[in-house]
Amino acid sequence: KNEVEQSPQNLTAQEGEFITINCSYSVGISALHWLQQHPGGGIVSLFMLSSGKKKHGRLIATINIQEKHSSLHITASHPRDSAVYICAVRSGGGADGLTFGKGTHLIIQP
Amino acid sequence: ETGVTQSPTHLIKTRGQQVTLRCSSQSGHNTVSWYQQALGQGPQFIFQYYREEENGRGNFPPRFSGLQFPNYSSELNVNALELDDSALYLCASNLPGYTGELFFGEGSRLTVL
Repeated sequence: KNEVEQSPQNLTAQEGEFITINCSYSVGISALHWLQQHPGGGIVSLFMLSSGKKKHGRLIATINIQEKHSSLHITASHPRDSAVYICAVRSGGGADGLTFGKGTHLIIQP
Repeated sequence: ETGVTQSPTHLIKTRGQQVTLRCSSQSGHNTVSWYQQALGQGPQFIFQYYREEENGRGNFPPRFSGLQFPNYSSELNVNALELDDSALYLCASNLPGYTGELFFGEGSRLTVL
């Protein structure tokens, strides 16, 4: 069973700061997802990674398969980025479902 | 807008009752998975359906069951509700291919009294 650890659990920063959220997992994976959850509960998929790096607007996600580690970066952070960011991995066959981290609660202050 | 809708959004039940939660996926999304998210925790995988058959299950007892229909809708049924079943229940669907992007619904928040 894969274990997914995220850090930090909580992060408060000022508008404009560069944000990094980390995710580590314990066993090999077929894919890693970064998700965003707002207070209402709905989850939005930000990235799906199996190798390398992806960029979308101010968001960048990287993964190091050998080190079993991924990072989510937010450049020029804005109060609307405030949300819970969740890392989730799919191990091996797709029928295993996702294993989720507990999430990082990010608050960006104006 | 993910194209995945869940109903009801909120409901309250009492211990021992049964509940059915519904999820409507985008056309063509023949894989749907259900997750339970307790307050302050990350979601936990309940089960997954592919082409109307359960093909994966997490560590949940048999009183959690599901169905998937040809019109890309699905149900999660929970019998003999317990207080610990109080949680946000999320469904997620994806296109064929297990490593595809996931589309989540807004969730159904169940409170068991």
